[in-house]
Amino acid sequence: GQNIDQPTEMTATEGAIVQINCTYQTSGFNGLFWYQQHAGEAPTFLSYNVLDGLEEKGRFSSFLSRSKGYSYLLLKELQMKDSASYLCAVRDGDYKLSFGAGTTVTVRA
Amino acid sequence: NAGVTQTPKFRILKIGQSMTLQCAQDMNHNYMYWYRQDPGMGLKLIYYSVGAGITDKGEVPNGYNVSRSTTEDFPLRLELAAPSQTSVYFCASSYSIEQETQYFGPGTRLLVL
Repeated sequence: GQNIDQPTEMTATEGAIVQINCTYQTSGFNGLFWYQQHAGEAPTFLSYNVLDGLEEKGRFSSFLSRSKGYSYLLLKELQMKDSASYLCAVRDGDYKLSFGAGTTVTVRA
Repeated sequence: NAGVTQTPKFRILKIGQSMTLQCAQDMNHNYMYWYRQDPGMGLKLIYYSVGAGITDKGEVPNGYNVSRSTTEDFPLRLELAAPSQTSVYFCASSYSIEQETQYFGPGTRLLVL
């Protein structure tokens, strides 16, 4: 099985930056994903890392270190609409996705 | 494209009843998946399919059955509902197993009393 850990909750102010960490232990590795999930809705894809380094997409960036089993999602210039749960998911050697429990981010005015 | 659609959106079942959760996609995706999401927990894979006629178990398959007679449809069957099956069920699809992301349906919220 897989072991994926991420903080349960984080709070930040509008306009600020928040970093959500994710550590994982898996049997085989074929990529790490970040999804955003608003309350009562389906997860939506944010980012994908398969090689070490930083991937930037507008206000969102994701970093991966395969040797450390570590990733983070960086949310910049926070907006109220960024209040959501952020799910870290790892694709294993059999190409199956395993999800962390999610980090609930609350953005305050 | 409607993407991935699921019906019903919400259902209440009594213990021992059976039901089928419907999932359809119109993106001609080969791979389809069923997950359940319990409060405060990550999504867990129930069953998946790599194409019509082929299905396989995921992490938590007990109490569920699936079939894949067409590329578009991937229904999930609960034969004898139990309170432990109270959850939100998401269906997802992808064109290939290496594709960067799976696309999720809106979910079915199931309550078993």
